[in-house]
Amino acid sequence: QLQLQESGPGLVKPSETLSLICTVSGGSISSGSFYWSWIRQPPGMGLEWIGSIFYSGSTYYNPSLQSRVTISVDTSKNQFSLKLSSVTAADTAVYYCARRVFSGWIDYWGQGTLGTVSS
Amino acid sequence: DIVMTQSPDSLAVSLGERATINCKSSQSVLHSSNNKNHLAWYQQKPGQPPKLLIYWASTRESGVPDRFSGSGSGTDFTLTISSLQAEDVAVYYCQQYYTPPRITFGQGTRLEIK
Repeated sequence: QLQLQESGPGLVKPSETLSLICTVSGGSISSGSFYWSWIRQPPGMGLEWIGSIFYSGSTYYNPSLQSRVTISVDTSKNQFSLKLSSVTAADTAVYYCARRVFSGWIDYWGQGTLGTVSS
Repeated sequence: DIVMTQSPDSLAVSLGERATINCKSSQSVLHSSNNKNHLAWYQQKPGQPPKLLIYWASTRESGVPDRFSGSGSGTDFTLTISSLQAEDVAVYYCQQYYTPPRITFGQGTRLEIK
């Protein structure tokens, strides 16, 4: 059974960089059939796609966040990561890592980690 | 970006009754390459990540009870729960994947017991 687990600091100061890692177990991140994705959900609000990466390293970002987002993959560790720079309080959210099938829907999600931006 | 709009924002239905949630896309998500609607539905319970219910607008994910069904085509879609159970209380989201890898979600519909 595939499992995804987010990890990283829960509290980040304004203007700094939020850094998260997703560790994948029960399957290989190098499978060519999936995009590995980050999605966030502000408290009490809806879901926003942040971006996705293919195992080869090709990345795709939400245009609204593109200037601040970097997603990378480490196939040797079966991990992918998110960096969101110049954060503000509006970036406070639960951050999910997820597996997206090539066709487009998301079939596996991590449990999510709360990223809080506060001084 | 394709904008997904759900209605209603919240819904209260009696146990055993039918619940209907609507989702409208700002442009058609019916892809001519495969004649399929690129739309999925998810269920999210408090404190949990979303769970995939339906993809290709009407294909039920393995293990999802058959009281859940999806319908519609083009720009208008519906998620129907034929006989509401207590465990179905949740927020439901539609999601388009017509423009992969970019995806967008509806704002969510909160379903409660009347």
